[in-house]
Amino acid sequence: EVQLVDSGGDLVQPGGSLTLSCETSGFAFRKHWMAWVRQAPGKGLEWVATIKPDRSEIYYVDSVKGRFIIARDDAKNSLYLHMNSLRTEDTAVYHCVRHALDDVWSGYTHFDSWGQGTLVTVSS
Amino acid sequence: TVMTQSPATLSVSPGERATLSCRASQTVNNKLAWYQQKPGQAPRLLIYDVSTRGTGVPARFGGSGSGTEFTLTISSLQSEDFAMYYCQQYDYWPPYTFGQGTKVEIK
Repeated sequence: EVQLVDSGGDLVQPGGSLTLSCETSGFAFRKHWMAWVRQAPGKGLEWVATIKPDRSEIYYVDSVKGRFIIARDDAKNSLYLHMNSLRTEDTAVYHCVRHALDDVWSGYTHFDSWGQGTLVTVSS
Repeated sequence: TVMTQSPATLSVSPGERATLSCRASQTVNNKLAWYQQKPGQAPRLLIYDVSTRGTGVPARFGGSGSGTEFTLTISSLQSEDFAMYYCQQYDYWPPYTFGQGTKVEIK
């Protein structure tokens, strides 16, 4: 069974830092592009970042560039999101997400498995 | 690529057909997915590549469309289908973009 377990969410002050973790199991983690998607309270879904299996391609939504870092540890089957200089508008539930595989290991794929999410609240 | 869903809310009686729309601001080459989200839960993949159902998704869920216009149809609404639905394009990225969602509620 595919599992993605998000953790690390917390209450943090504006300007602070936080690291989210996603422990995965039940699939070949090293083969998949992985991503983070967030959802602000009462709002829709927003893609945050994506990382290729070999880490040669990493992408971010403009609003987090220079502040967030997506990382992966294939030995631990884990995905991370290092968040710095947090702003109130970063308050959201953050979901670890698996990209589906395609024949050429590209990023042109949908999100086929989601973690339950972890809540990050940025407030003074 | 901006994704626009309509309507924002759809009121439907159980057993009736529901039709949800999604429009892209530019042509997406069949790289279009639909997700279902219930309160307090993670989104769940329903449809990918416009019309392919995800694993375990009931046959009453169908996707169609091309170019910039896409549709999710639920042929006969069951009680468990009342939820939020999001479309997403994965053709022009970054960023991967979602529609703002359509809430399907009980009429």
